[in-house]
Amino acid sequence: DARVTQTPRHKVTEMGQEVTMRCQPILGHNTVFWYRQTMMQGLELLAYFRNRAPLDDSGMPKDRFSAEMPDATLATLKIQPSEPRDSAVYFCASGVTGANQPQHFGDGTRLSIL
Amino acid sequence: AQKVTQAQTEISVVEKEDVTLDCVYETRDTTYYLFWYKQPPSGELVFLIRRNSFDEQNEISGRYSWNFQKSTSSFNFTITASQVVDSAVYFCALTLPYNQGGKLIFGQGTELSVKP
Repeated sequence: DARVTQTPRHKVTEMGQEVTMRCQPILGHNTVFWYRQTMMQGLELLAYFRNRAPLDDSGMPKDRFSAEMPDATLATLKIQPSEPRDSAVYFCASGVTGANQPQHFGDGTRLSIL
Repeated sequence: AQKVTQAQTEISVVEKEDVTLDCVYETRDTTYYLFWYKQPPSGELVFLIRRNSFDEQNEISGRYSWNFQKSTSSFNFTITASQVVDSAVYFCALTLPYNQGGKLIFGQGTELSVKP
């Protein structure tokens, strides 16, 4: 079965360091979403792309977060500088255009900022 | 604004019991899609079912069944004869229309614990 691949699976780093999370969407999927899961906020959308173009990043703190899609097989989410409150699980999901299509999620990156 | 509410934070049952997970949603759109996802202890999110707003037929898949009622804005999920492997957090989600990107609005999740 095709899967969304996220790397790294786990990341522990100190406050102030740059963090880069990567996502390889399922081949043929043209939408990519980044979600963050925390105990307090649950699952919340950070940003998403359609055909590699960013459509909405209103859920993302602009001053420190950036999301890009350099090509159709790679999406990145960067945090610089990282803060302890960024500790969460970050999920990437991909899908095909259309609100009725299910999004398929990667296994997530568990991020801990010390 | 769109919203999904899963009022049950945690449910604990004994194996072989039936259990229903509640989901209530809010939206002003006439076209929308509802989903259920499962998050087992390993952490991944697994797609279970999709339902569109024009199809109120209930669906059954093995021990799983879903009851969609537009009149009460509910999309409840029932597991029959629960098993320990059903222990997970279950999320109900609403998708915004295509012209709003199709992003998912999740409920807070219901943690189901099935004890042997």
